[in-house]
Amino acid sequence: GESVGLHLPTLSVQEGDNSIINCAYSNSASDYFIWYKQESGKGPQFIIDIRSNMDKRQGQRVTVLLNKTVKHLSLQIAATQPGDSAVYFCAEHFGNEKLTFGTGTRLTIIP
Amino acid sequence: EPEVTQTPSHQVTQMGQEVILRCVPISNHLYFYWYRQILGQKVEFLVSFYNNEISEKSEIFDDQFSVERPDGSNFTLKIRSTKLEDSAMYFCASSATKSTDTQYFGPGTRLTVL
Repeated sequence: GESVGLHLPTLSVQEGDNSIINCAYSNSASDYFIWYKQESGKGPQFIIDIRSNMDKRQGQRVTVLLNKTVKHLSLQIAATQPGDSAVYFCAEHFGNEKLTFGTGTRLTIIP
Repeated sequence: EPEVTQTPSHQVTQMGQEVILRCVPISNHLYFYWYRQILGQKVEFLVSFYNNEISEKSEIFDDQFSVERPDGSNFTLKIRSTKLEDSAMYFCASSATKSTDTQYFGPGTRLTVL
């Protein structure tokens, strides 16, 4: 069945350090993956995406890695800042139009 | 920067009442979506809408739900007879030209059913 899940529900990182948030997915037919950031009381905010024909994509301070062999997706945030504290969701898209979201990881940046 | 807007930010209603949640998608986008998020849970897909018709819906989107694009800017979600379990954050999203374009989300409407 369709399933997008996260390895860790919470993650605490010292300000300035790098953080890695992981996500497992089960549908090998997924063609598109997205990381969203959700701050308290707000809607999901797009961070970065990656198509299934890629294994790495970089943005500003963020990198997404896709390992299709083990169906694993990760989000790396470099030099974390207090504003990075939020819940991070991975989402996958496969063939139809909806996104299937994971349960989320709460990232806390420790000053 | 263009953004999706939603009104109201918070809606409180009695069980059995009808509610209409409103969204203004990004102006040049063609695909529209509703998702919901029950407190503490993940975001769940409800429905997608393209070319003035529903293109996909989830099992959550039963006969109590309907969507409409009444004019060139608004996109609405109606719940005909609300239930306690409809209490959630409802997010509208839109994407530009095809369903695999990035979906941009609005700030959400918190629906509380009493």
